Amino acid sequence: QKEVEQNSGPLSVPEGAIASLNCTYSDRGSQSFFWYRQYSGKSPELIMFIYSNGDKEDGRFTAQLNKASQYVSLLIRDSQPSDSATYLCAVPINSGGGADGLTFGKGTHLIIQP
Amino acid sequence: KAGVTQTPRYLIKTRGQQVTLSCSPISGHRSVSWYQQTPGQGLQFLFEYFSETQRNKGNFPGRFSGRQFSNSRSEMNVSTLELGDSALYLCASGSETQYFGPGTRLLVL
Repeated sequence: QKEVEQNSGPLSVPEGAIASLNCTYSDRGSQSFFWYRQYSGKSPELIMFIYSNGDKEDGRFTAQLNKASQYVSLLIRDSQPSDSATYLCAVPINSGGGADGLTFGKGTHLIIQP
Repeated sequence: KAGVTQTPRYLIKTRGQQVTLSCSPISGHRSVSWYQQTPGQGLQFLFEYFSETQRNKGNFPGRFSGRQFSNSRSEMNVSTLELGDSALYLCASGSETQYFGPGTRLLVL
């Protein structure tokens, strides 16, 4: 049974600062990793995915992957109050890539303080 | 491109009844996955269909079933509803990356 672990928070960050969200996973064979954002009462929205070790940047978001440590993180630069949400980390049910079924962490509740 | 649509959006049922939820994926997507989200257990994978075939199944009882049609639309069915089945049921479309629909919120009384 694959496991994805996240600190549930809440993680409180001042507006304009960098928010750092972390995720560890149990299956060393996992090849792809996904970050979703979920606002209260809404469905998850895909923010980023990463396949390769290192960093991947998209606007204010940076995903970082370290397969040796089985660790993936999401950095949000210049945090805005609109970034306040729950952030979910996910890996595919089947190792080898793709996203035909995902295992999710419980999510980290992020609060950006104005 | 239209997004993932789910119907109905809200549903109230009583214990012992059954329910059918529907999902239409993004045009061109052949993979549909279903998830259950509850405050206690989080987002849990139910099953995934591709070209009318179930490829993956999560750890849920046999009361939970699904199917996919030739136009990629999918339905999930829950029989003999229990109070614990109250949840947000989410459908996701896509294989390489998944995009979620708005969900169906089911309340079992």
